[in-house]
Amino acid sequence: EDQVTQSPEALRLQEGESSSLNCSYTVSGLRGLFWYRQDPGKGPEFLFTLYSAGEEKEKERLKATLTKKESFLHITAPKPEDSATYLCAVQVRDYKLSFGAGTTVTVRA
Amino acid sequence: DTGVSQDPRHKITKRGQNVTFRCDPISEHNRLYWYRQTLGQGPEFLTYFQNEAQLEKSRLLSDRFSAERPKGSFSTLEIQRTEQGDSAMYLCASSTTSGGNEQFFGPGTRLTVL
Repeated sequence: EDQVTQSPEALRLQEGESSSLNCSYTVSGLRGLFWYRQDPGKGPEFLFTLYSAGEEKEKERLKATLTKKESFLHITAPKPEDSATYLCAVQVRDYKLSFGAGTTVTVRA
Repeated sequence: DTGVSQDPRHKITKRGQNVTFRCDPISEHNRLYWYRQTLGQGPEFLTYFQNEAQLEKSRLLSDRFSAERPKGSFSTLEIQRTEQGDSAMYLCASSTTSGGNEQFFGPGTRLTVL
């Protein structure tokens, strides 16, 4: 069974304090690894898809990287508006996403 | 707004009642997914449609749950004889068969069963 584990569960940062979130996975035949952002009471918002080890993608203060067993989401110089839960998901077959439990990031001004 | 829409956004019901939720996907998307999310957890896959065909159902989808996508456009998820354990956020997502595999989510329907 596909397993996705995210760490830490919660992360409290000072504005400008860079950090990284981890997503480790155990799957057979990864088709893609996805990162989403979720604000309280809302649906997940798509951020990135990574398809192969060594791939990197960036969007504003966020950078996602992928190895054969894990992915990292780096937050550079975060701002309070970056506060959210960040979800990692893997896709093995052509449809279903298997999600981790998420990392809740709080950025204090 | 051309994103995924869901209705209602919130539903409070009493145990034993039936409820139905609607999802309207992004217009050119032929794949539609339902997920359920409980507090502190990531979304869990329930079922998936390609056009009007329901191609996969999770074991989480008991016989009290039924989903339809009659014309390959909007979809409905019905829960019969609701139980308190059904309280959750029900999320709908859509994607295309061309391009990347990105799934785009709607705002969700928050169900509370009293």
